[in-house]
Amino acid sequence: AQSVTQLGSHVSVSEGALVLLRCNYSSSVPPYLFWYVQYPNQGLQLLLKYTTGATLVKGINGFEAEFKKSETSFHLTKPSAHMSDAAEYFCAVSDRDQMTTDSWGKLQFGAGTQVVVTP
Amino acid sequence: NAGVTQTPKFRVLKTGQSMTLLCAQDMNHEYMYWYRQDPGMGLRLIHYSVGEGTTAKGEVPDGYNVSRLKKQNFLLGLESAAPSQTSVYFCASATRDTQYFGPGTRLTVL
Repeated sequence: AQSVTQLGSHVSVSEGALVLLRCNYSSSVPPYLFWYVQYPNQGLQLLLKYTTGATLVKGINGFEAEFKKSETSFHLTKPSAHMSDAAEYFCAVSDRDQMTTDSWGKLQFGAGTQVVVTP
Repeated sequence: NAGVTQTPKFRVLKTGQSMTLLCAQDMNHEYMYWYRQDPGMGLRLIHYSVGEGTTAKGEVPDGYNVSRLKKQNFLLGLESAAPSQTSVYFCASATRDTQYFGPGTRLTVL
C-alpha cells in the first residue's frame, strides 16, 4: 500500500523567506501527486497536482512543486512567504493503477505540516 | 453554485446515540467521499461512492454506514456513537482529477 511522509509537523518561516515543505511517497510506480491547503476551520483546497508531463508544477498563491522520480519526492515551495500562507498543508497521492472508474480518487494523505509565518 | 455543503457544522453526542451527517454537492459529480481528520494523522477515507446507488469501504469503515440514494447527496451514519469517533468529518466530491471538499463537521462523542 502507498504511504506518504511529510517531514516536519510544524514549520516556522519569516515573512518574505522561502517556504519549503517536504513530501516523500513509497511506490514502485510513480503515483499521481497532490498538495492541499487547509486554513483554520475550513475544508481542504487544492494547491496543485502532478499527473503527467512537466515535472515542475505551478499552483495557486505562488506555490510550486517538483516531482523527482529518483528521490520519490514532491516537495512544495514558495519563494517568499506571506502572512496569509499560515495554514496546514497536506501532501496526497493516488495510485496510477487505481485510475479506473471504480476506484478513482482514493487519496492517501500525509499527516500534514502546520506552517506558521512570523513577521 | 454552493459547491460541497455539509450539515450539521457541529454536533455533540453521548455514547450510544446515533446520527446522520449529510453531504450535498451541486456540481453533478459522480464520485463522493467521506473522510475523518484526526490530529497528526491527516485525512483517512471512511467510505466512498462512484455513483448513485453505489458505496464502498475505505480505510476506516468500522462503525459507519453510508448511503447514496441521490447523486447529489452522500449520507454518513453512526448507529451507536463511541468516543473514538470524535473527529472532524469531511465530505468531498470529485471530477476525474480533482476532489472538492466541504467545510467539515466537528463531532464530539462524550
